[in-house]
Amino acid sequence: DAKTTQPPSMDCAEGRAANLPCNHSTISGNEYVYWYRQIHSQGPQYIIHGLKNNETNEMASLIITEDRKSSTLILPHATLRDTAVYYCIVRVASYQKVTFGTGTKLQVIP
Amino acid sequence: SAVISQKPSRDICQRGTSLTIQCQVDSQVTMMFWYRQQPGQSLTLIATANQGSEATYESGFVIDKFPISRPNLTFSTLTVSNMSPEDSSIYLCSVEDKGQGAYEQYFGPGTRLTVT
Repeated sequence: DAKTTQPPSMDCAEGRAANLPCNHSTISGNEYVYWYRQIHSQGPQYIIHGLKNNETNEMASLIITEDRKSSTLILPHATLRDTAVYYCIVRVASYQKVTFGTGTKLQVIP
Repeated sequence: SAVISQKPSRDICQRGTSLTIQCQVDSQVTMMFWYRQQPGQSLTLIATANQGSEATYESGFVIDKFPISRPNLTFSTLTVSNMSPEDSSIYLCSVEDKGQGAYEQYFGPGTRLTVT
């Protein structure tokens, strides 16, 4: 799996959009970008994934650059419950182990 | 999406003893994974467990310390053997499942282990 780089921490005001960046400059053509989050003391939770098109679901939006070397996870209206560690992972879309990096600790501030 | 339960949710154990953690999934899955998360750290993969074959361990983890069973497609156990305080961690079971056109990984709630 390609390596990812994320800022260790970020703050976001409640109600504002949280934009979490991820660099994956060595991503291969068959690797997807996946995002997970881990709220304190819970198991990680899948958020969203994409290959090259931008994606949106009920939780978040994923913006992938045209060269696919970086992406941004957007939480459109952050709430206090979005405070968590967010992990960006690149992987092939098949049965395979997933390696977690250090992630970004997002703190949503009232 | 797969729903995963783990037992026990937490335990406090004495050094030198062993603890077996159970992972139950509500659907049949091919691949199951066991992770460890030490305090303040990210998740580290211990091993991959496929039904009907020996578990595959990651570098730094050995079968004698972390024996794994995978008797069927919905259940697995991880044993932490001859425990020391350094084994104090959250242990997480995970499964890979194909959702709506995508492969997604689901995690159990974790087992918080404290070794004294």
